[in-house]
Amino acid sequence: DAKTTQPTSMDCAEGRAANLPCNHSTISGNEYVYWYRQIHSQGPQYIIHGLKNNETNEMASLIITEDRKSSTLILPHATLRDTAVYYCIVRWWAPGVKAAGNKLTFGGGTRVLVKP
Amino acid sequence: GAVVSQHPSWVICKSGTSVKIECRSLDFQATTMFWYRQFPKQSLMLMATSNEGSKATYEQGVEKDKFLINHASLTLSTLTVTSAHPEDSSFYICSASRGGGTNSPLHFGNGTRLTVT
Repeated sequence: DAKTTQPTSMDCAEGRAANLPCNHSTISGNEYVYWYRQIHSQGPQYIIHGLKNNETNEMASLIITEDRKSSTLILPHATLRDTAVYYCIVRWWAPGVKAAGNKLTFGGGTRVLVKP
Repeated sequence: GAVVSQHPSWVICKSGTSVKIECRSLDFQATTMFWYRQFPKQSLMLMATSNEGSKATYEQGVEKDKFLINHASLTLSTLTVTSAHPEDSSFYICSASRGGGTNSPLHFGNGTRLTVT
């Protein structure tokens, strides 16, 4: 799986949008971009994923550049409960591939601190 | 949505004893589950892939005889830490997806914090 590069940490203000960048310059055609977050002492929580189109759900938006070499996770209105480590992961998948090939490899992530 | 449950959430055991951790998929069948380990201030490290009805696949450096994995049903995988030692103290997390060749995301349990005294 392609490696990702994320800032080690970032602060953001409560109520403001939080934009989390991720670089995945070696991503291949069958690799999706996934975002998870881990609040202290809990298991990772799935946020969103995408291939090449921008995606939005109730938690966040995912913006993927046209060349797919980078992406940005947007938390539209950060709250104190969004303080967590955010992981950007690329995961290979192709139709017919069993789940065993769909493991997630975690990097260091970005430690996000939302401040009042 | 999909839910993965782990039990226990924390356990303290004495050195030399064995500890079993359960991972259940609550509203879907999981042919494959993954076991991770996380040390303080570090990221998650994949330990092994648990396959229903067959042997688990271990990552390089993970001792299969020490970390026994059993995936006897489509909703349950267990990880047994045998002859635990203080260096095995860690946060163990399982994950699963609906799998079967879909692109559905992996969902994670809330982890089990193991402390070996």
